[in-house]
Amino acid sequence: QVQLVQSGAEVKKPGASVKVSCKASGYTFTSYYMHWVRQAPGQGLEWMGIINPSGGSTSYAQKFQGRVTMTRDTSTSTVYMELSSLRSEDTAVYYCARLSGRGSSSPDAAFDIWGQGTMVTVSS
Amino acid sequence: QSVLTQPPSVSGAPGQRVTISCTGSSSNIGAGYDVHWYQQLPGTAPKLLIYGNSNRPSGVPDRFSGSKSGTSASLAITGLQAEDEADYYCQSYDSSLSGSDWVFGGGTKLTVL
Repeated sequence: QVQLVQSGAEVKKPGASVKVSCKASGYTFTSYYMHWVRQAPGQGLEWMGIINPSGGSTSYAQKFQGRVTMTRDTSTSTVYMELSSLRSEDTAVYYCARLSGRGSSSPDAAFDIWGQGTMVTVSS
Repeated sequence: QSVLTQPPSVSGAPGQRVTISCTGSSSNIGAGYDVHWYQQLPGTAPKLLIYGNSNRPSGVPDRFSGSKSGTSASLAITGLQAEDEADYYCQSYDSSLSGSDWVFGGGTKLTVL
């Protein structure tokens, strides 16, 4: 079945970096754009950015520009999200989410498949 | 402050009908971009509930329905059940002079009394 499986929980110190992985299965990896969304404890959902698994092109939310890097490995059908210069406010659950619509980054497409989430805790 | 505005909470008794609003502006919902709705049960990842303003993915009961008009959208749940107690989020796309982003509402907590 179609699924996204993310890496396990992380604990990092302020100023460090974290890299979260999201492995896709059950569909053609390069045919669907992937997004990253985070959720701070008790808070709502926040969009971080998008990656095209086919060509590797990315677009990031302005808030994260300069701190986030999204990459992919087509040989393992895995996308990665690396966030640097971590601060306590980055403590959150990070989700990867597939954008529906084969081969399209349409703004009218929905996030149809979600990973289970990865808890990242930033604490000294 | 979320780009899309939702009420923080709504409640209803089993069997009743509740609605959750999602208010945007001329740069997102009012610009014609579709609205999608997600259900997040406690401790789990969000799940797509309504896509393209009013369409239900396979497996979603027809008790859930969505609509859109002008700069707002709504999610309606009829025949409320205890299992519907969750957080609900609307989502759309925003394009303005400052850039273009996928955006979410702040979320609405549904309590089944």
